[in-house]
Formats: sequence, structure tokens, C-alpha cells
Amino acid sequence: ELKVEQNPLFLSMQEGKNYTIYCNYSTTSDRLYWYRQDPGKSLESLFVLLSNGAVKQEGRLMASLDTKARLSTLHITAAVHDLSATYFCAVAPNTDKLIFGTGTRLQVFP
Amino acid sequence: EAGVAQSPRYKIIEKRQSVAFWCNPISGHATLYWYQQILGQGPKLLIQFQNNGVVDDSQLPKDRFSAERLKGVDSTLKIQPAKLEDSAVYLCASSLNPGTVYEQYFGPGTRLTVT
Repeated sequence: ELKVEQNPLFLSMQEGKNYTIYCNYSTTSDRLYWYRQDPGKSLESLFVLLSNGAVKQEGRLMASLDTKARLSTLHITAAVHDLSATYFCAVAPNTDKLIFGTGTRLQVFP
Repeated sequence: EAGVAQSPRYKIIEKRQSVAFWCNPISGHATLYWYQQILGQGPKLLIQFQNNGVVDDSQLPKDRFSAERLKGVDSTLKIQPAKLEDSAVYLCASSLNPGTVYEQYFGPGTRLTVT
């Protein structure tokens, strides 16, 4: 059974600090997605990583993909309160069927 | 560009009752998905349509759930009869197909509470 695991599940961090969220998956996938979900809201696409070694950055968030290690990271630089949300990674081992991770709930405090 | 539309946004029903959700995908998107998101978990795919045909319904509890996309545009997801464990957010998503990225765009969801 395909597993997509994220860690940590919960992350409470101070504004201005850096941290990394990890996404491990158990089968080959040439694409990996990162989504953000605010409480009571739908999913917002952050990044789509299409190849080994892909790195994408948007503001304080940077995502990378290592397909050989079956690992993606989402790095947060100098966190601000507006980044508080739940972050999901998802893989697509078969065409466009997405398998989502467990989610990482991030809370940024002053 | 209008996003994925869903209705209703909230629904409360008693167990054993029936409920239906509606989704209108982004114009021109051939592929439509229904996901179930239980509180504290990631979304789980229930069914995937390509135009008006079913591509994957392996995770759909077919004894109580049904879905259709008759004209290849709007879709309806029905639960009959509902159980307590069906309480969740039901998300509809669509994607432009074919394409390499297969990026999915999600609607606001319908939050279902079964009492």
C-alpha cells in the first residue's frame, strides 16, 4: 500500500525562525505537489515538482524533490504569522491520481 | 477565471438520510475528482471522471455512495443512506487534461455532519 508520510504532524514555531517539513513516500512518483489549507477552507496549490532535483521558491517557502530518496522538503524561512496553516504534500504515482500525506499543522507565534 | 464551484457549503443530516452534493468544475476541464477529507486527515480520492466516464472509483463505497457526470461538466455525489462515519468535508477538484502537470484545482468543499 502506498504511504505518504509527513513530519512533523504539528509544528509550533516562533516568528523569524526557520524550519523544514519532510514528506516521505513509499513508491516511485515523478511528480510531487504541495498544498496549503487554512482552517475551514479548501486546498491552495503551492508547488508542483516535476523532476528529481527540482527546487521551487515562493516568498518564504521553498520546496525540493529527491525522487531517488522518495523525499520532498518544504523549507520555511523567517516564519511569519500568515504562514500558519496545514500543509499537505501529495504524490501522483499513476497519472493524475493524487495520494495525500497526513498533513503538517503549522502555527507561527510572535 | 471562475474556480470550482460547490454547493451546498454545509449540510447537517441524520443517519440513514440521503444527501447530494453538486460540483461545477472550471470551464474546459475534462477531469473531475471527488475527495473525502475526514477531520485531521488528508483528502482521499473517492472517484475520478474523465469527461462523463469513470476513470477510478476503487475507493468509492458503492453500497451507499454514487456519483454521476452526465454531460461531462457538472457532477453530483450522493450518499444514501448516510452513516455517522460519513461526516467529513467533500471536496471537488478539476484538472485540464491532457497535460504533464495534472495540476488539480479544488473547490471550497461541502462540510457534511451526520448526527
